[in-house]
Amino acid sequence: EADIYQTPRYLVIGTGKKITLECSQTMGHDKMYWYQQDPGMELHLIHYSYGVNSTEKGDLSSESTVSRIRTEHFPLTLESARPSHTSQYLCASSESSPTGPNTGELFFGEGSRLTVL
Amino acid sequence: GEDVEQSLFLSVREGDSSVINCTYTDSSSTYLYWYKQEPGAGLQLLTYIFSNMDMKQDQRLTVLLNKKDKHLSLRIADTQTGDSAIYFCAESITGDDKIIFGKGTRLHILP
Repeated sequence: EADIYQTPRYLVIGTGKKITLECSQTMGHDKMYWYQQDPGMELHLIHYSYGVNSTEKGDLSSESTVSRIRTEHFPLTLESARPSHTSQYLCASSESSPTGPNTGELFFGEGSRLTVL
Repeated sequence: GEDVEQSLFLSVREGDSSVINCTYTDSSSTYLYWYKQEPGAGLQLLTYIFSNMDMKQDQRLTVLLNKKDKHLSLRIADTQTGDSAIYFCAESITGDDKIIFGKGTRLHILP
């Protein structure tokens, strides 16, 4: 079972509020990712990190920001939430690149479902 | 660019075999994966195949890889109600740390 945790699981907030979605993993993985999953099921990579103090934007532009001060922690922040931010946010981690004996398996959290009114 | 395509829906009767298909465009894939997402949960790796293999079998699951046609399939034998989920095809690209996901196939089990 994956040791990666997301909080909150569900969040309903009003427009303009600042929110932080938490993601923690206890596997010591260097690589961590945030995906946004729309109602049509498609996954969009919005942020990733290859280690402490490393963050990169993903394929889908997002108004959210991330930080990676500790290996195990990769929070995502929205400074001013809007209804267009309503979505499921999935955090994932992996041990290494998919080369050699490593398959590059991604371990996902249970997700944070955000609704902005 | 990299792209992974799969059909969005599949309905199968309980006890029958389910076959979920996927095509990909990048020929430099290292691994190809099938992830399963149950309602209200994150994705979980179901199985994977290394790009130099043609087939992998794991209990009720059979993965077939046709590198020439860039086609990947997942067969679930004796489909059960617990198999009802969204199945994502994904590939890793050699030299790239990212994994490219398809849009997911929702498997619906008929009684």
